[in-house]
Amino acid sequence: AQSVSQHNHHVILSEAASLELGCNYSYGGTVNLFWYVQYPGQHLQLLLKYFSGDPLVKGIKGFEAEFIKSKFSFNLRKPSVQWSDTAEYFCAVNPSNSNYQLIWGAGTKLIIKP
Amino acid sequence: ETGVTQTPRHLVMGMTNKKSLKCEQHLGHNAMYWYKQSAKKPLELMFVYNFKEQTENNSVPSRFSPECPNSSHLFLHLHTLQPEDSALYLCASSQAGQGSHEQYFGPGTRLTVT
Repeated sequence: AQSVSQHNHHVILSEAASLELGCNYSYGGTVNLFWYVQYPGQHLQLLLKYFSGDPLVKGIKGFEAEFIKSKFSFNLRKPSVQWSDTAEYFCAVNPSNSNYQLIWGAGTKLIIKP
Repeated sequence: ETGVTQTPRHLVMGMTNKKSLKCEQHLGHNAMYWYKQSAKKPLELMFVYNFKEQTENNSVPSRFSPECPNSSHLFLHLHTLQPEDSALYLCASSQAGQGSHEQYFGPGTRLTVT
């Protein structure tokens, strides 16, 4: 079955540290890739997405992600985190054989210490 | 705001009650979704509607009954629930059939079954 793995369930960083959250998926065909963020008490919102073209994607709030097809990965990065980045981050994949449905990772809770 | 609203935001119900969750999207999308979000687990897709027709029912127990009267409204009718059904229920919408299939989420209904 198709799946999405987020290797870290919890990450704790200090402000100004660099961030990388891992995401791997198990589908060999064409994919659209997403990172969503859920701030405490708020709804899920799109952080960035890869649809086609440049595999390095830039999103809101200084986040970026790189699609590496050979590694089936779409890791999320930010060079310098802020306390306001404390949230839960979800990776999701839309495989080309699933029409418009998304397959989700379990999420990574990120806590930034001020 | 994402253009997707959900009511109520919080619901406490006994196992013998009947209640309904409501979702409305103001984005002109043609696909709507119900998800169950539990701690430390991937989002569980429950139901998908495309142009008001149910296209997916991911082995959801019959105590959950969806209804989609038009492309803008989605309901989830609940009856004789179990305590393990306590979770955050999310509604989402997207424009199926084109683009990257980005989904837009409502704030969710926090359901507690006692």
